[in-house]
Amino acid sequence: EAQVTQNPRYLITVTGKKLTVTCSQNMNHEYMSWYRQDPGLGLRQIYYSMNVEVTDKGDVPEGYKVSRKEKRNFPLILESPSPNQTSLYFCASSFRAGAGYTFGSGTRLTVV
Amino acid sequence: DQQVKQNSPSLSVQEGRISILNCDYTNSMFDYFLWYKKYPAEGPTFLISISSIKDKNEDGRFTVFLNKSAKHLSLHIVPSQPGDSAVYFCAASASGGYQKVTFGTGTKLQVIP
Repeated sequence: EAQVTQNPRYLITVTGKKLTVTCSQNMNHEYMSWYRQDPGLGLRQIYYSMNVEVTDKGDVPEGYKVSRKEKRNFPLILESPSPNQTSLYFCASSFRAGAGYTFGSGTRLTVV
Repeated sequence: DQQVKQNSPSLSVQEGRISILNCDYTNSMFDYFLWYKKYPAEGPTFLISISSIKDKNEDGRFTVFLNKSAKHLSLHIVPSQPGDSAVYFCAASASGGYQKVTFGTGTKLQVIP
């Protein structure tokens, strides 16, 4: 089944403790992206990647890092999480620029 | 600065009638627009898109209209079905960076049986 898989689905962590949310797609898509969803703010793009080793900042990149060492994986790294990063995170991929993204099921992160 | 705006947080429609969801944008560089549907506890699902070279695109019960001069687009669902009840997001991107997609805040549609 073609899909984008994120792990974990739920995560509660403490301020300052580094964490990684993994994302993997099995569709051989070139493009991948991370979004966060917050009430009243919709979906905001954190980072995106056009191919292996090619990434760029979205609208809200502060406090996040990404890497794209393999085509299928695009992990989101929070080096020192803070409570304002409590949010619902989505990873997405698409086969070409402009095509609709396929989204993962989301990761609900709580930073206390 | 919200470049893509969905001013109606919610909308209720009777089953069988038309649902019209609206979206406005401010960035004149946007030339590709998409609609996504999202059910609770799931990721958004791509629904339909339109390029700025068109003013209408249809896919079954879903039609998107684009008015470039007004920087406005709308999604029409006809006829509306209870399974259409979801949050709908409008999104936009610009040529030269189609992978950078800006989303609106969403409209929650409730279709009443």
